[in-house]
Amino acid sequence: RKEVEQDPGPFNVPEGATVAFNCTYSNSASQSFFWYRQDCRKEPKLLMSVYSSGNEDGRFTAQLNRASQYISLLIRDSKLSDSATYLCVISGNTPLVFGKGTRLSVIA
Amino acid sequence: DTEVTQTPKHLVMGMTNKKSLKCEQHMGHRAMYWYKQKAKKPPELMFVYSYEKLSINESVPSRFSPECPNSSLLNLHLHALQPEDSALYLCASSQGFLQDNEQFFGPGTRLTVL
Repeated sequence: RKEVEQDPGPFNVPEGATVAFNCTYSNSASQSFFWYRQDCRKEPKLLMSVYSSGNEDGRFTAQLNRASQYISLLIRDSKLSDSATYLCVISGNTPLVFGKGTRLSVIA
Repeated sequence: DTEVTQTPKHLVMGMTNKKSLKCEQHMGHRAMYWYKQKAKKPPELMFVYSYEKLSINESVPSRFSPECPNSSLLNLHLHALQPEDSALYLCASSQGFLQDNEQFFGPGTRLTVL
């Protein structure tokens, strides 16, 4: 089993839709969880840290399920500007491990 | 200042050239990283510096040579590269290494090796 697995997509959704991504991880000792966003030919940018209690930032909600070893990202009311690749990133006793990313295209 | 800066933005070099990539941060972060990213792939870790000491070298070929002159600066010296080394080279920093490790990335240097 790969360390961090994501559905590569692409997810093509209309504006205003709600879309959710999951990411599974294999290392049960993982301690830190993040979602990064990367636009084409740009650097990854931290979108959210993911906490055990779940956290919300505007239209974005992140959840952690330690028992099933996955994290999720929910985007409500999708905007065209949300089109990007979303990278699931995990760390424990190692530096950050990146998933391969999920590509989202929001269509007008 | 919450920025990581990198120079140059673009670099084209021949296989016999020697060049250097530079990275700078003024956030007081004590860990700095070099990543290599190929198209449609996630970033691959190359090196980690923690408190100006090399902590991790992910079996990177010796034609890549990192240097950390001080806590704000990170260089990557390049020599005798191959065309397959063409990629986006990303620098990142974080407050600490393994803990407080939200990483902030610079804009990258897009390297082409001819």
